[in-house]
Amino acid sequence: QSALTQPASVSGSPGQSITISCTGTSSDVGGYNYVSWYQQHPGKAPKLMIYEVSNRPSGVSNRFSGSKSGNTASLTISGLQAEDEADYYCSSYTSSSTPYNYVFGTGTKVTVL
Amino acid sequence: EVQLVESGGGLVQPGRSLRLSCAASGFTFDDYAMHWVRQAPGKGLEWVSGISWNSGSIGYADSVKGRFTISRDNAKNSLYLQMNSLRAEDTALYYCAKEYRGMGGYDSCAFDIWGQGTMVTVSS
Repeated sequence: QSALTQPASVSGSPGQSITISCTGTSSDVGGYNYVSWYQQHPGKAPKLMIYEVSNRPSGVSNRFSGSKSGNTASLTISGLQAEDEADYYCSSYTSSSTPYNYVFGTGTKVTVL
Repeated sequence: EVQLVESGGGLVQPGRSLRLSCAASGFTFDDYAMHWVRQAPGKGLEWVSGISWNSGSIGYADSVKGRFTISRDNAKNSLYLQMNSLRAEDTALYYCAKEYRGMGGYDSCAFDIWGQGTMVTVSS
Protein backbone atom coordinates (compact mmCIF):
# COMPACT_ATOMS: atom_id res chain seq x y z
CA GLN A 1 0.00 0.00 0.00
CA SER A 2 2.41 2.71 -1.14
CA ALA A 3 0.97 6.22 -1.24
CA LEU A 4 0.01 7.62 -4.62
CA THR A 5 2.40 10.30 -5.88
CA GLN A 6 1.29 13.92 -6.06
CA PRO A 7 3.34 17.10 -6.57
CA ALA A 8 4.07 18.76 -3.24
CA SER A 9 2.81 22.13 -4.41
CA VAL A 10 1.02 23.82 -7.28
CA SER A 11 0.29 27.51 -7.60
CA GLY A 12 -1.68 29.80 -9.87
CA SER A 13 -3.12 33.28 -10.13
CA PRO A 14 -6.82 34.04 -9.66
CA GLY A 15 -8.79 33.09 -12.75
CA GLN A 16 -6.16 30.68 -14.05
CA SER A 17 -6.49 26.92 -14.32
CA ILE A 18 -4.24 24.46 -12.54
CA THR A 19 -3.92 20.68 -12.70
CA ILE A 20 -2.82 18.32 -9.95
CA SER A 21 -1.56 14.89 -10.93
CA CYS A 22 -1.88 11.66 -8.97
CA THR A 23 0.28 8.76 -10.11
CA GLY A 24 -0.19 5.19 -9.03
CA THR A 25 0.08 1.76 -10.58
CA SER A 26 -2.03 -0.72 -12.48
CA SER A 27 -3.07 -2.13 -9.10
CA ASP A 28 -4.79 1.05 -8.04
CA VAL A 29 -5.32 4.15 -10.22
CA GLY A 30 -4.79 2.33 -13.50
CA GLY A 31 -6.85 -0.70 -12.60
CA TYR A 32 -10.06 0.83 -11.30
CA ASN A 33 -12.30 3.84 -11.94
CA TYR A 34 -12.45 4.49 -8.20
CA VAL A 35 -10.33 7.60 -7.92
CA SER A 36 -11.57 10.36 -5.65
CA TRP A 37 -10.27 13.82 -4.71
CA TYR A 38 -10.49 15.71 -1.43
CA GLN A 39 -9.96 19.33 -0.44
CA GLN A 40 -8.71 20.08 3.06
CA HIS A 41 -8.41 23.53 4.55
CA PRO A 42 -6.13 23.98 7.60
CA GLY A 43 -7.66 22.56 10.75
CA LYS A 44 -10.68 21.20 8.89
CA ALA A 45 -11.88 17.78 7.85
CA PRO A 46 -11.43 16.78 4.21
CA LYS A 47 -14.22 17.49 1.72
CA LEU A 48 -15.09 15.18 -1.17
CA MET A 49 -14.69 17.02 -4.48
CA ILE A 50 -14.62 14.25 -7.12
CA TYR A 51 -15.55 10.56 -7.03
CA GLU A 52 -15.20 7.75 -9.57
CA VAL A 53 -12.55 9.70 -11.50
CA SER A 54 -14.73 12.49 -12.87
CA ASN A 55 -18.03 12.77 -11.02
CA ARG A 56 -18.88 15.72 -8.79
CA PRO A 57 -21.06 15.29 -5.70
CA SER A 58 -24.00 17.62 -5.41
CA GLY A 59 -22.93 21.07 -4.28
CA VAL A 60 -19.36 20.95 -5.60
CA SER A 61 -18.51 23.72 -8.05
CA ASN A 62 -18.20 22.75 -11.72
CA ARG A 63 -14.83 24.54 -11.68
CA PHE A 64 -13.49 21.23 -10.35
CA SER A 65 -13.07 18.40 -12.82
CA GLY A 66 -11.30 15.04 -12.83
CA SER A 67 -9.85 12.72 -15.41
CA LYS A 68 -7.59 9.69 -15.75
CA SER A 69 -5.10 8.36 -18.26
CA GLY A 70 -3.36 5.09 -17.58
CA ASN A 71 -1.93 5.07 -14.07
CA THR A 72 -2.28 8.84 -13.59
CA ALA A 73 -5.37 10.72 -12.48
CA SER A 74 -5.73 14.48 -12.58
CA LEU A 75 -7.75 17.16 -10.84
CA THR A 76 -8.21 20.45 -12.68
CA ILE A 77 -9.38 23.61 -10.99
CA SER A 78 -10.49 26.25 -13.46
CA GLY A 79 -11.13 29.91 -12.68
CA LEU A 80 -8.92 29.67 -9.61
CA GLN A 81 -10.28 31.53 -6.58
CA ALA A 82 -8.78 32.52 -3.25
CA GLU A 83 -10.93 29.99 -1.40
CA ASP A 84 -9.40 27.17 -3.46
CA GLU A 85 -6.16 27.57 -1.52
CA ALA A 86 -5.96 24.32 0.43
CA ASP A 87 -4.38 20.87 0.47
CA TYR A 88 -5.70 18.35 -2.05
CA TYR A 89 -5.51 14.58 -1.80
CA CYS A 90 -6.34 11.89 -4.30
CA SER A 91 -7.43 8.41 -3.28
CA SER A 92 -7.93 5.13 -5.08
CA TYR A 93 -9.22 1.66 -4.40
CA THR A 94 -6.32 -0.78 -4.56
CA SER A 95 -6.47 -4.46 -5.35
CA SER A 96 -7.14 -6.67 -2.37
CA SER A 97 -8.92 -9.81 -1.20
CA THR A 98 -11.39 -7.55 0.60
CA PRO A 99 -13.74 -4.92 -0.84
CA TYR A 100 -12.15 -2.28 1.35
CA ASN A 101 -8.58 -1.33 0.63
CA TYR A 102 -7.78 2.24 -0.26
CA VAL A 103 -4.68 4.37 -0.66
CA PHE A 104 -4.35 8.14 -0.51
CA GLY A 105 -1.97 10.39 -2.37
CA THR A 106 0.89 12.30 -0.77
CA GLY A 107 -1.05 15.55 -0.95
CA THR A 108 -0.63 18.79 -2.88
CA LYS A 109 -0.68 22.28 -1.42
CA VAL A 110 -2.42 24.68 -3.77
CA THR A 111 -1.42 28.32 -3.44
CA VAL A 112 -3.37 31.15 -5.03
CA LEU A 113 -0.88 33.88 -5.86
CA GLU B 1 -28.08 17.56 10.11
CA VAL B 2 -25.78 14.78 8.93
CA GLN B 3 -23.05 14.41 11.51
CA LEU B 4 -20.25 12.15 12.70
CA VAL B 5 -18.73 12.73 16.13
CA GLU B 6 -15.60 10.85 17.19
CA SER B 7 -14.48 10.29 20.76
CA GLY B 8 -12.09 8.19 22.79
CA GLY B 9 -8.76 9.68 21.79
CA GLY B 10 -6.04 10.63 24.25
CA LEU B 11 -2.49 10.08 25.42
CA VAL B 12 -1.49 6.42 25.74
CA GLN B 13 1.80 4.62 26.31
CA PRO B 14 3.35 2.43 23.62
CA GLY B 15 2.01 -1.10 23.74
CA ARG B 16 -1.25 -0.10 25.39
CA SER B 17 -4.78 -0.10 23.96
CA LEU B 18 -7.43 2.49 23.14
CA ARG B 19 -10.96 2.27 21.76
CA LEU B 20 -12.33 4.99 19.52
CA SER B 21 -16.03 5.60 18.95
CA CYS B 22 -17.94 7.46 16.26
CA ALA B 23 -21.56 8.49 16.76
CA ALA B 24 -23.59 9.01 13.59
CA SER B 25 -26.74 11.06 13.15
CA GLY B 26 -28.85 12.57 10.39
CA PHE B 27 -28.69 9.59 8.00
CA THR B 28 -29.64 5.92 7.94
CA PHE B 29 -26.45 4.56 9.47
CA ASP B 30 -27.08 0.90 8.71
CA ASP B 31 -27.37 1.63 4.98
CA TYR B 32 -23.72 2.60 4.56
CA ALA B 33 -20.19 1.28 4.80
CA MET B 34 -18.03 3.22 7.24
CA HIS B 35 -14.32 3.89 7.53
CA TRP B 36 -11.53 5.19 9.73
CA VAL B 37 -8.94 7.50 8.18
CA ARG B 38 -6.02 9.02 10.10
CA GLN B 39 -3.70 11.97 9.67
CA ALA B 40 -0.42 12.26 11.55
CA PRO B 41 0.49 15.82 12.62
CA GLY B 42 1.55 17.80 9.57
CA LYS B 43 1.24 14.75 7.33
CA GLY B 44 -1.17 13.35 4.74
CA LEU B 45 -4.25 11.18 4.97
CA GLU B 46 -4.00 7.43 5.52
CA TRP B 47 -6.91 5.03 5.18
CA VAL B 48 -6.99 2.74 8.22
CA SER B 49 -10.00 0.43 8.02
CA GLY B 50 -13.47 -0.02 6.54
CA ILE B 51 -16.58 -2.08 7.35
CA SER B 52 -19.67 -2.86 5.31
CA TRP B 53 -23.18 -1.96 6.43
CA ASN B 54 -23.79 -5.39 7.94
CA SER B 55 -20.20 -6.03 9.17
CA GLY B 56 -19.94 -8.81 6.58
CA SER B 57 -16.91 -7.28 4.86
CA ILE B 58 -13.96 -5.66 6.61
CA GLY B 59 -10.62 -4.35 5.43
CA TYR B 60 -7.47 -3.00 7.09
CA ALA B 61 -4.37 -1.15 6.00
CA ASP B 62 -1.25 -3.27 6.23
CA SER B 63 0.13 -0.88 8.85
CA VAL B 64 -2.61 -1.79 11.36
CA LYS B 65 -3.57 -5.32 10.36
CA GLY B 66 -3.51 -7.66 13.34
CA ARG B 67 -3.49 -4.80 15.86
CA PHE B 68 -6.67 -2.82 15.10
CA THR B 69 -10.25 -4.11 14.96
CA ILE B 70 -13.14 -2.22 13.40
CA SER B 71 -16.73 -2.89 14.43
CA ARG B 72 -20.13 -1.26 14.39
CA ASP B 73 -23.41 -1.35 16.30
CA ASN B 74 -26.22 -0.36 13.96
CA ALA B 75 -28.73 -0.27 16.84
CA LYS B 76 -26.62 2.47 18.42
CA ASN B 77 -25.64 4.21 15.16
CA SER B 78 -22.03 3.81 16.21
CA LEU B 79 -18.70 2.82 14.70
CA TYR B 80 -15.71 1.66 16.73
CA LEU B 81 -11.98 1.13 16.37
CA GLN B 82 -10.21 -1.05 18.93
CA MET B 83 -6.51 -0.24 18.80
CA ASN B 84 -4.09 -2.63 20.50
CA SER B 85 -0.29 -2.73 20.72
CA LEU B 86 -0.13 0.96 19.93
CA ARG B 87 3.08 2.41 18.51
CA ALA B 88 4.47 5.92 18.28
CA GLU B 89 3.72 5.90 14.55
CA ASP B 90 0.00 5.49 15.31
CA THR B 91 -0.03 9.04 16.66
CA ALA B 92 -2.59 10.87 14.53
CA LEU B 93 -5.95 12.54 14.26
CA TYR B 94 -8.43 9.75 13.60
CA TYR B 95 -11.41 10.57 11.40
CA CYS B 96 -14.59 8.58 11.02
CA ALA B 97 -15.94 8.77 7.47
CA LYS B 98 -19.07 7.60 5.64
CA GLU B 99 -18.79 5.88 2.29
CA TYR B 100 -20.43 7.82 -0.52
CA ARG B 101 -23.08 6.23 -2.64
CA GLY B 102 -22.96 7.66 -6.14
CA MET B 103 -25.62 8.15 -8.78
CA GLY B 104 -25.77 4.44 -9.50
CA GLY B 105 -26.79 3.74 -5.91
CA TYR B 106 -23.73 1.66 -5.09
CA ASP B 107 -20.60 2.30 -3.02
CA SER B 108 -18.24 4.63 -4.84
CA CYS B 109 -15.04 4.02 -2.82
CA ALA B 110 -15.13 7.64 -1.67
CA PHE B 111 -15.93 9.34 1.61
CA ASP B 112 -18.50 12.13 1.68
CA ILE B 113 -19.15 12.77 5.38
CA TRP B 114 -16.29 13.20 7.86
CA GLY B 115 -16.19 13.88 11.55
CA GLN B 116 -13.86 16.44 13.10
CA GLY B 117 -11.54 13.73 14.36
CA THR B 118 -10.21 12.53 17.69
CA MET B 119 -6.51 12.84 18.50
CA VAL B 120 -4.50 9.81 19.54
CA THR B 121 -1.01 10.37 20.95
CA VAL B 122 1.21 7.37 21.64
CA SER B 123 4.11 8.35 23.85
CA SER B 124 5.84 7.30 27.04
